Formats: sequence, structure tokens, C-alpha cells
Amino acid sequence: ETGVTQSPTHLIKTRGQQVTLRCSSQSGHNTVSWYQQALGQGPQFIFQYYREEENGRGNFPPRFSGLQFPNYSSELNVNALELDDSALYLCASSFRGGFTEAFFGQGTRLTVV
Amino acid sequence: RKEVEQDPGPFNVPEGATVAFNCTYSNSASQSFFWYRQDCRKEPKLLMSVYSSGNEDGRFTAQLNRASQYISLLIRDSKLSDSATYLCVVRGNAGKSTFGDGTTLTVKP
Repeated sequence: ETGVTQSPTHLIKTRGQQVTLRCSSQSGHNTVSWYQQALGQGPQFIFQYYREEENGRGNFPPRFSGLQFPNYSSELNVNALELDDSALYLCASSFRGGFTEAFFGQGTRLTVV
Repeated sequence: RKEVEQDPGPFNVPEGATVAFNCTYSNSASQSFFWYRQDCRKEPKLLMSVYSSGNEDGRFTAQLNRASQYISLLIRDSKLSDSATYLCVVRGNAGKSTFGDGTTLTVKP
């Protein structure tokens, strides 16, 4: 096990609603990245948080936002959900400043209906 | 053009076969490189890091060619348990990791 935990594991929401996904990073890691993985595709980078600030963002609209807390855990918030937001959302923790690998949580599978 | 491109696959091979996956990346400033394995409906898990000098871990060998911006993964003596999707990952100096779409491998008895 990686020590990265995400909650919830599964979620069903209605179009237009808002959702918050949570991630606890691995001990010793100070950076959290969020990814969206649609079926049949590789994970797509949403954004990264380091020292409680957004540090890099992919091609996702502003309705995707996040937070990082002093203990390095993180939240991903998505407003005004759309059907295309249905995907596996993955959180990865790593140590910024080193070229070390990132470890993933088990993901949250979000279904928007 | 995608930042990281992989052989689309799928690769269907018999047990014991040797199989090679290729990956190219477009950002010459990329700093570190990895192969991840992802089983169906699970999270990606690190298989191995990739170094210019090449590195080997049991039946798995990874190679990086910075001049050609090319990464490879070789699996020898394939096992049924090797069946999975293999993701090529490239990380820039800001720590952002870019994934390929993966190559699916099925090892058959």
C-alpha cells in the first residue's frame, strides 16, 4: 500500500451539483497532484499543490479548484458538474524538490447523471 | 500532438514471450521518467524509474534516449500476471507529470 488514501471511493452526483473529493498524502510527501482519468485514456493533470498553493495547472476550467492543508492533505472541488466529468479522479503525492516517483491513491470514481 | 505518445496496442502475447513498449515525449526539458502499471479499474502503480544508463529489474528493462526523446520498456519471459496497461510518465522540472494513454498487454496461456 502507498499510504495515499482518497475518499470517497465511489460517488454519484447529478448534473449541476458540486462535489468535494479528499486525499491524504503519504508521510514525508509535501506535494499533491490531482488527475482525471476517463475510460481508455491516461490520467490527465488537473493541478498540483505545494505549500498550500496551486503550483501548476492543466487544461481544466476554473470550476475545478482545490486546497491543500498544513498537513499536506488536499481537496478537489468541482462545481456545476457536467456529464463529461464522470471519470476516475486520482490523487498522487510526491516530494517536491527531488526527482522521485509519485504514489497514487486508489481513486474516486465519480459518476454524473 | 500529445506531449507523451505510446504505442496504442493492444499487445496480445503468449506466456514466455518478450514484448517491448515504446514511448516518445515532446518536451526536451523533461527531467524524470517512469513506467507505471495500471490494472483494470485500479490506480496506477510505479513499475520502475527510467535512467539514461538503462536500468533493469528482474524481467523488466527500461531505457531512455534523451537525444531521440524516446523511452522503452522490455518485458522478458512474460507471465499471465503481467497483463495490464503500461503507462509512460514524463515529469518536468515543476513536478508536473504527464501520462501517455497507455498500452494494454494481454498475456495468454
